[in-house]
Amino acid sequence: IAGITQAPTSQILAAGRRMTLRCTQDMRHNAMYWYRQDLGLGLRLIHYSNTAGTTGKGEVPDGYSVSRANTDDFPLTLASAVPSQTSVYFCASTVTADSYNEQFFGPGTRLTVL
Amino acid sequence: GQNIDQPTEMTATEGAIVQINCTYQTSGFNGLFWYQQHAGEAPTFLSYNVLDGLEEKGRFSSFLSRSKGYSYLLLKELQMKDSASYLCAVRDSNYQLIWGAGTKLIIKP
Repeated sequence: IAGITQAPTSQILAAGRRMTLRCTQDMRHNAMYWYRQDLGLGLRLIHYSNTAGTTGKGEVPDGYSVSRANTDDFPLTLASAVPSQTSVYFCASTVTADSYNEQFFGPGTRLTVL
Repeated sequence: GQNIDQPTEMTATEGAIVQINCTYQTSGFNGLFWYQQHAGEAPTFLSYNVLDGLEEKGRFSSFLSRSKGYSYLLLKELQMKDSASYLCAVRDSNYQLIWGAGTKLIIKP
């Protein structure tokens, strides 16, 4: 089934630990995004990638890093988790960054940092 | 700064019509999107407007006025399954989406 998968579905993490959230899409989309969603706030862009091999910083990049080694995968890493990174994380993709196509979202990862 | 405003919560009756408004101030404009998000789920695409006017898709319609920085989503013949949050997002000059906080729509029988 074409779409975006994310793993894990949920995770409880101790502060200071390193964590990688995985995202894979099979739609051959060029552009991919990581958002976090917090209660009362809109989705906020963490990092994005317009094409394989390139990445860029979004609105709230501090404490996060990404890589885009190929078209399909776009992992998000928290080097040293802090409680303020407790959130729901969504990965999304679209055909190309400057197209008028919608973004498709993965099911999300619910992360709790204690 | 960039800003998207929409009401936090609205209540409507099953079978009725509801209009959810969205106003925006962004650096550049390359289209406006509406998404639906059920509790605990991912956002799913509803509609897209880039030119002024009304776009109709079944029970859902979306309107845009670029000169006023304004859009609305109109939902007709409301069903209980329409209970969800509705997210307004504007694509800015960098082709990034700027998101509103969402409007939680509660449908009562």
